[in-house]
Amino acid sequence: QITLKESGPTLVKPTQTLTLTCTFSGFSLSTSGVGVGWIRQPPGKALEWLALIYWNDDKRYSPSLKSRLTITKDTSKNQVVLTMTNMDPVDTATYYCAHRSDRLLHFDYWGQGTLVTVSS
Amino acid sequence: EIVLTQSPGTLSLSPGERATLSCRASQSVSSSYLAWYQQKPGQAPRLLIYGASSRATGIPDRFSGSGSGTDFTLTISRLEPEDFAVYYCQQYGSSPLVTFGPGTKVDIK
Repeated sequence: QITLKESGPTLVKPTQTLTLTCTFSGFSLSTSGVGVGWIRQPPGKALEWLALIYWNDDKRYSPSLKSRLTITKDTSKNQVVLTMTNMDPVDTATYYCAHRSDRLLHFDYWGQGTLVTVSS
Repeated sequence: EIVLTQSPGTLSLSPGERATLSCRASQSVSSSYLAWYQQKPGQAPRLLIYGASSRATGIPDRFSGSGSGTDFTLTISRLEPEDFAVYYCQQYGSSPLVTFGPGTKVDIK
């Protein structure tokens, strides 16, 4: 059974760096084709893809946020970490991590999400 | 850069009715890389359809996907009470790598 769970601060101040951790089970990020992505959703708004890391450590980012994002993985700990620099109130959102299936090619399992508020 | 547009923004229907949701891409999308998700309030999105027309595990057969190129459709043949939600289409593979549409809300008439 695949599960994912996001963890990190619920409140950050403007200009700070956000670090979120996705801890997963039920799959290995060493398996060919598998990936873990981060997606966010501001309150009442649509989903926005942020970043994706593949089993082979290939990393992809949203072009509009690329300069602020870093995604890494720790295969031994079954964790993926996303850092976002220079946080702004417009970055207030629920942040999700999700499993990208090697077979289905899309995000088939999602974490519950974590709400991050950016405010001074 | 590929952009996905969904229509209508809101669809007001009654249980038992048929829902037809549209997703249009600004550039051609490989059918293999087009998915639909359902999201209910306070919940994470759930994968419904992948590869434009294949149902994900456990998805009822009243949900179906079709389309190719730039035009894709999600059809719910007979709405059940639990189907009232927001639906997003998503493409993978073009630039940017992943794009979500703005969503269609299906609400109770």
